[in-house]
Formats: sequence, C-alpha cells, structure tokens
Amino acid sequence: AQSVTQLDSQVPVFEEAPVELRCNYSSSVSVYLFWYVQYPNQGLQLLLKYLSGSTLVKGINGFEAEFNKSQTSFHLRKPSVHISDTAEYFCAVSPLGGTSYGKLTFGQGTILTVHP
Amino acid sequence: DGGITQSPKYLFRKEGQNVTLSCEQNLNHDAMYWYRQDPGQGLRLIYYSQIVNDFQKGDIAEGYSVSREKKESFPLTVTSAQKNPTAFYLCASSIGFESTVIYGYTFGSGTRLTVV
Repeated sequence: AQSVTQLDSQVPVFEEAPVELRCNYSSSVSVYLFWYVQYPNQGLQLLLKYLSGSTLVKGINGFEAEFNKSQTSFHLRKPSVHISDTAEYFCAVSPLGGTSYGKLTFGQGTILTVHP
Repeated sequence: DGGITQSPKYLFRKEGQNVTLSCEQNLNHDAMYWYRQDPGQGLRLIYYSQIVNDFQKGDIAEGYSVSREKKESFPLTVTSAQKNPTAFYLCASSIGFESTVIYGYTFGSGTRLTVV
C-alpha cells in the first residue's frame, strides 16, 4: 500500500518570497510522483510529475520539484511566489504495481496563502 | 475543447434523499474515477471504472453507487445510507487504467453537495 504525507497543512508567505511545500511518501513498490494545484471550488490541475531521469522536474507557473529516493520525498518549490499562487496543493503517488495500480493516492493537501 | 463536465456545481438535498451527481467526458478516456474531498483529508477514492460496464469499489464506497453504461458517462448516486454526505465530489478520468501510471488524471470542476 502507499501513503502520502504533506508535512504542512497551511503555508503563509509574502509575495515574491520563496516557498517550499513538503511531501513524503511510503510505498512497497516503485512509484511515479505528481503535484496538483486546486483553486477554490475548482478541480485539480497537474503542475508537474516525476517519472524517471533527472530528479529535478520543472512544471507550469514556475514551480519545480525534486525527487529524493533515499528520503522518499518530493518537495515542491518556487523561488518567487505571486498572489495568484494562492491555492491548495496536493502531492500524489502512482504505484507501478500492487493493488493500487492504476489509481493515484493523494496527500492531505497544503493550503498556500500568498500575502501582499 | 475536450474535458470533463460535472453538474450541477452546487447541490442541496434533504437528509434521507438519494441524489445523483453527473460526470460526462469527451476525452475518449477509458478509465473514470470518483473522489470525495473533505477539508484536511485530501481526496478519497469512492469508485472507479476501467472500462464500460465495469466498476470497482474504492476506499470509501459504502453509501454510494455508480454505473458505467456509456464510455462518456460515470454518474455517482449518493444514497440515504451515506452517513455524512456533505462534501465536495470530484470526477476524474485517464486515457486508460494502465496509462494513469504515466499521465495521471484529468479532473472535472467538482460538485459541492450539501445535505440539510
């Protein structure tokens, strides 16, 4: 089975400051990793994903994430945030086998609030 | 433009009544999913369908039912047996069940159900 832990439920930050949203996972099989963003009362949109290759992946809106296999982490970062980045962010894993194959497991979400 | 349409966006029902949430996609995706979202709990899988006329229970299927008579449609019925039905419901799809591993999901914009 898989589990995803997002270490911060809420992250307040000032505009133009850097931000890191933390995600740790556990799995008995290899996984692919995803970050999604959700704006209020909307569905989720894919920000970025890690499948293989370089451990630093870049996504939309200036976000990037780094996969660390030894620490089973996939933290999301942005060097300078904007007011429009205020949203809830979800980390998810997709197992390459096992009973959860073909389904994503999501973390609890991190609400990012950017203040002017 | 292809996408997933969930309707209605907001739904109010009296306790004890069944209610059906609509999910339609024109992406020609084989696999479809229903998730429930509650604050601080992330997304929890209710039901999923790999192909037409086939569906399986997810982690929290009690009190819910689904059908998949057409590839494009995957309606969710919230029955009176669901003890705490007030939540935000998200429908998602993927190209194919196995393709989910690589491509993740496309999400609808959600239905907020309030039971009074």
